[in-house]
Amino acid sequence: AQTVTQSQPEMSVQEAETVTLSCTYDTSESDYYLFWYKQPPSRQMILVIRQEAYKQQNATENRFSVNFQKAAKSFSLKISDSQLGDAAMYFCAYRSRQTSYDKVIFGPGTSLSVIP
Amino acid sequence: DAGVTQSPTHLIKTRGQHVTLRCSPISGHKSVSWYQQVLGQGPQFIFQYYEKEERGRGNFPDRFSARQFPNYSSELNVNALLLGDSALYLCASRLQGFSGANVLTFGAGSRLTVL
Repeated sequence: AQTVTQSQPEMSVQEAETVTLSCTYDTSESDYYLFWYKQPPSRQMILVIRQEAYKQQNATENRFSVNFQKAAKSFSLKISDSQLGDAAMYFCAYRSRQTSYDKVIFGPGTSLSVIP
Repeated sequence: DAGVTQSPTHLIKTRGQHVTLRCSPISGHKSVSWYQQVLGQGPQFIFQYYEKEERGRGNFPDRFSARQFPNYSSELNVNALLLGDSALYLCASRLQGFSGANVLTFGAGSRLTVL
């Protein structure tokens, strides 16, 4: 079974600085998706960035980028120029491409605080 | 366009009772998934329904059931509530059942408290 681990329960960053959130996962599969989701106090889970495992190029979305290390099963999220609105829970997530249904496996989350 | 809408937003039940949670997907989305998020943890997959059929089920007891209606809205039912069922229940929709690169869009959830 696949698992997702986030070893940093809490992180903080100064506004305008850069922060990196860590994620490791365990799988025997070679084809899958990885995601970072953001959950603000409003509770709605919002997709931040997505990576397809067969793509070697790291995904980027504006101030958000990932460092995808497939062999190491590592998928970290870098947030540049941090803004107050980035404060939220961040969840790393995995989805197999080899199952016949849409099951996303989430990590335990990292709570990010942004200090003005 | 309206996003994924869930009702009720909050509810309180006592042990042994039954609860029904409702979800309306984004217009045109045919797949609905349900997740349970216990406080301090990541969401856990409960069910996926696509085209009104159950496509997948997570490791949850038979007290949990769901269905999808012809308009693709969905209900999650939980019988014989336990204290441990207290959680945020998230609904997510996507255009297709599984294939394709489109991703889940989540609702804001229903917060269930069992006393």
